[in-house]
Amino acid sequence: EPEVTQTPSHQVTQMGQEVILRCVPISNHLYFYWYRQILGQKVEFLVSFYNNEISEKSEIFDDQFSVERPDGSNFTLKIRSTKLEDSAMYFCASSEGTGSEKLFFGSGTQLSVL
Amino acid sequence: GESVGLHLPTLSVQEGDNSIINCAYSNSASDYFIWYKQESGKGPQFIIDIRSNMDKRQGQRVTVLLNKTVKHLSLQIAATQPGDSAVYFCAEKDQAGTALIFGKGTTLSVSS
Repeated sequence: EPEVTQTPSHQVTQMGQEVILRCVPISNHLYFYWYRQILGQKVEFLVSFYNNEISEKSEIFDDQFSVERPDGSNFTLKIRSTKLEDSAMYFCASSEGTGSEKLFFGSGTQLSVL
Repeated sequence: GESVGLHLPTLSVQEGDNSIINCAYSNSASDYFIWYKQESGKGPQFIIDIRSNMDKRQGQRVTVLLNKTVKHLSLQIAATQPGDSAVYFCAEKDQAGTALIFGKGTTLSVSS
């Protein structure tokens, strides 16, 4: 069964450093998303991406965040200068023809900012 | 504003019982709702979805009910099994229609 894959599964970084989280969405999907989940809390929307541009972003997704689809298969989330409060599980998701319906999620990258 | 929430943070049931997990939503214009299951250390896994032009939808051992009058969504799991133990989230499409907004989650614990 096709699945969304994310790498790395764990990322430890120092405050102020840049991190790039990587995702390979399901191949025939057109919509891509990043969500995050702070331990024990709900899943929070960060950004949606379609046709090589951001469709929508939340207020969490400030200037420190950026997304990119550098080639036909990868979808990345970059945090330019990490803060302690960026520590969370980051989930990539994708969906096919109709946006923001039936999202398929990856297993996540656990980001720890020290 | 938009918010999706759940009535109870935890639910404990015995194996074989039927489970009902509830969710209240605030956006009366929402036209799409979805339930996810999240096991420890994993990403949310799709269970079932429903559009606002339906009141009920059934899957394998699961049923979603939508009451638009009171803006209430529920997930019913028949013959609950230990493998059903997880956190369950409801989510709705936001007003812009390009994101799913999640509720806070209910932790279902199934004892055998």
